[in-house]
Amino acid sequence: EPEVTQTPSHQVTQMGQEVILRCVPISNHLYFYWYRQILGQKVEFLVSFYNNEISEKSEIFDDQFSVERPDGSNFTLKIRSTKLEDSAMYFCASSEWAQRTDTQYFGPGTRLTVL
Amino acid sequence: LAKTTQPISMDSYEGQEVNITCSHNNIATNDYITWYQQFPSQGPRFIIQGYKTKVTNEVASLFIPADRKSSTLSLPRVSLSDTAVYYCLVGDGNAGNMLTFGGGTRLMVKP
Repeated sequence: EPEVTQTPSHQVTQMGQEVILRCVPISNHLYFYWYRQILGQKVEFLVSFYNNEISEKSEIFDDQFSVERPDGSNFTLKIRSTKLEDSAMYFCASSEWAQRTDTQYFGPGTRLTVL
Repeated sequence: LAKTTQPISMDSYEGQEVNITCSHNNIATNDYITWYQQFPSQGPRFIIQGYKTKVTNEVASLFIPADRKSSTLSLPRVSLSDTAVYYCLVGDGNAGNMLTFGGGTRLMVKP
């Protein structure tokens, strides 16, 4: 069964450094998402991406964040100048159809720890 | 403004039916309501989705009243392996129709 993959599984970085989190969505999917989950809290929407551009973004997704689909398979989340409060699990998801509430398939997540 | 809300936790016993309700009093008009299951250190996993009335699949049922201001996930005959956190996901009109997860309901199934 196709699945969303994410790398790395755990990223440790120093405050102020840039990190890039990588995702490979399911191959025939059209809509891509990034979510954040701070330890012990709920999953929070960051951004959705369709047709090579941002479709929606939340208040959390400020100028510190950017997304990119650099090739036909990868979908990345870049966090510039990381802050302590960026420590969280980051989940990538993809959906087959271009309907924002279509079934989303989530990756296993990347745990980001900012020291 | 009310947000997308769920009970924080529920306890049940094996074999019982469990109903978890999510309140979304200002859901975006064209959006589906989706429920996900999450185990510790894993990504959410799709359970069921609906727009209105009742939807049933092999693992759950979803009840949505006509006004769509709430939805109820029904898990028949739960087992220990159903212990997890359950989230509803909607477009929340109180947040500019932003995709919003409910706070999550931690279900504990006891033997």
